[in-house]
Amino acid sequence: GESVGLHLPTLSVQEGDNSIINCAYSNSASDYFIWYKQESGKGPQFIIDIRSNMDKRQGQRVTVLLNKTVKHLSLQIAATQPGDSAVYFCADLSSGGSYIPTFGRGTSLIVHP
Amino acid sequence: EPEVTQTPSHQVTQMGQEVILRCVPISNHLYFYWYRQILGQKVEFLVSFYNNEISEKSEIFDDQFSVERPDGSNFTLKIRSTKLEDSAMYFCASSEMTLAQAGTQYFGPGTRLTVL
Repeated sequence: GESVGLHLPTLSVQEGDNSIINCAYSNSASDYFIWYKQESGKGPQFIIDIRSNMDKRQGQRVTVLLNKTVKHLSLQIAATQPGDSAVYFCADLSSGGSYIPTFGRGTSLIVHP
Repeated sequence: EPEVTQTPSHQVTQMGQEVILRCVPISNHLYFYWYRQILGQKVEFLVSFYNNEISEKSEIFDDQFSVERPDGSNFTLKIRSTKLEDSAMYFCASSEMTLAQAGTQYFGPGTRLTVL
């Protein structure tokens, strides 16, 4: 199977709710991950990254959690807004031994006003 | 805000033809990348480029592909003899530092390549 994958293809939430998007990886040696947002018709946009020496990292309205024990990371978006509607995917930058991103398929986040 | 630009936005070509996809990375960036995304599938790394040389390339980046930085601003991807399966969105990206140094990649809007 793929080294980076997402549990849910689509997530629908109401505006103002918190959103949680999950991602699993398979290489226990992976040590650097990035979450991207891709809006329709646009290229991926960096959201937040995390290295394996951290369990949690916070940005503006976003938090990434890394659980190395179960090889899982999540992206939490607080107070989700319609502008957050996009495909979100995680990338493992270190699964191949060199820093080449391996992307997951993505989760489509739909925010209902 | 500086951004990566790509031209054309959509390229339609016949199978077997050569195509050149063009990118203008952010001006002070030193590291350049090409990715592709087949419709409905995940983004896939093709190649990275630094100091006028390929740094890394994936299995997808075979002899049909080449990259070039012909001048101080453009970064191109050439596909010599396109195949139907080359139809995809191609994204260019650039970064100021290497990914290992946590250099943030900035992606362009993509070129949609359709091979008929």
